[in-house]
Amino acid sequence: GQSLEQPSEVTAVEGAIVQINCTYQTSGFYGLSWYQQHDGGAPTFLSYNALDGLEETGRFSSFLSRSDSYGYLLLQELQMKDSASYFCAVSGGATNKLIFGTGTLLAVQP
Amino acid sequence: DSGVTQTPKHLITATGQRVTLRCSPRSGDLSVYWYQQSLDQGLQFLIQYYNGEERAKGNILERFSAQQFPDLHSELNLSSLELGDSALYFCASSHSTGQEAGTPLHFGNGTRLTVT
Repeated sequence: GQSLEQPSEVTAVEGAIVQINCTYQTSGFYGLSWYQQHDGGAPTFLSYNALDGLEETGRFSSFLSRSDSYGYLLLQELQMKDSASYFCAVSGGATNKLIFGTGTLLAVQP
Repeated sequence: DSGVTQTPKHLITATGQRVTLRCSPRSGDLSVYWYQQSLDQGLQFLIQYYNGEERAKGNILERFSAQQFPDLHSELNLSSLELGDSALYFCASSHSTGQEAGTPLHFGNGTRLTVT
């Protein structure tokens, strides 16, 4: 089977840096994705890592270590609008479906 | 706007009833995925279609079924509804045949189903 673990909640202040961790167990791993969801709205794609290392996209970066079955999303220069739920998701397994973690609720405080 | 359209936005119905949720994918996308999100839960994969054919199946209940039509829109049918079926149901689409190689999923705004 496949499973992912993320912290349920993270709090940080505006302008700070926050890291959201994700550990996973899966067979046939292809890559780790991150999605953002504001208050029950449509999840939106943030990033994807297939290889070990750091991928940077503006204020957001994502890291993957395949040997450790671990990744993280790094958000810099936090803004109030970054308050949302963040989901990691794995591609892989027999049916190659995208499996999501339970999400991390990020609260950015002034 | 993701380009994925879901109707209706809200649906309130009674236990035992049957409902149909509709999804129109982004123009050009052949794959459609259905996810269920219960309160404070993650996104549970239900089923995927590609160009009219079932491609992958998650933990979808036997009371639930889906199909993708020749015009690529998809419908999710939920029958014999129970209180526990109350959730947000999301449809997503992508241009790939599967969820491989990091192809982003584009999600609709969801249908909020309330079973009373």
